[in-house]
Amino acid sequence: KNQVEQSPQSLIILEGKNCTLQCNYTVSPFSNLRWYKQDTGRGPVSLTIMTFSENTKSNGRYTATLDADTKQSSLHITASQLSDSASYICVVSAEAGNNRKLIWGLGTSLAVNP
Amino acid sequence: GAGVSQSPSNKVTEKGKDVELRCDPISGHTALYWYRQSLGQGLEFLIYFQGNSAPDKSGLPSDRFSAERTGGSVSTLTIQRTQQEDSAVYLCASSLFGEGAITEAFFGQGTRLTVV
Repeated sequence: KNQVEQSPQSLIILEGKNCTLQCNYTVSPFSNLRWYKQDTGRGPVSLTIMTFSENTKSNGRYTATLDADTKQSSLHITASQLSDSASYICVVSAEAGNNRKLIWGLGTSLAVNP
Repeated sequence: GAGVSQSPSNKVTEKGKDVELRCDPISGHTALYWYRQSLGQGLEFLIYFQGNSAPDKSGLPSDRFSAERTGGSVSTLTIQRTQQEDSAVYLCASSLFGEGAITEAFFGQGTRLTVV
């Protein structure tokens, strides 16, 4: 069964600190993995998209890693800001023939406190 | 417009009534998706349109839900005989290519549906 599991479910950190969010997936065949940021009451916004061959990709203070062997990804946020408070969602694309599916994780809710 | 536009932004309806939710994707985007998100829950896939291909309706929770995409652009999600469990935020997204391709999906702000 294709699944995407994220941890922790929620996280509270102080402004300026770093944090790492985890995503484990059991999706086959794997096509790509995406991290989205969803602010409360708004639609998700893409942060990164990673293919099988990519290990690390950065977008400003966000750095995503991917280990396709262990089927794990992480999102590292450096020097957190109050505006980083949001839900971070891991999405894995499964592809089989002409069938393609996006498998969504439930997200990690991050709160950055002053 | 510059982004995905959804209307209405909020909808309150009585149980048993029909509702229509509208999505205007980014011009030129061939793929369009509908998701819903209940309070405190993750995104739930509903339906996916890609170009002229038959839509993937595998996520529609019941036959009360239907969607169409006219002229490969605007999409309407219709919920008939609404139930209280239909209350959620309905999100629409569009992308240049289909699911799985290396491309970004852009989301609208959603329609918050409340069934009373």
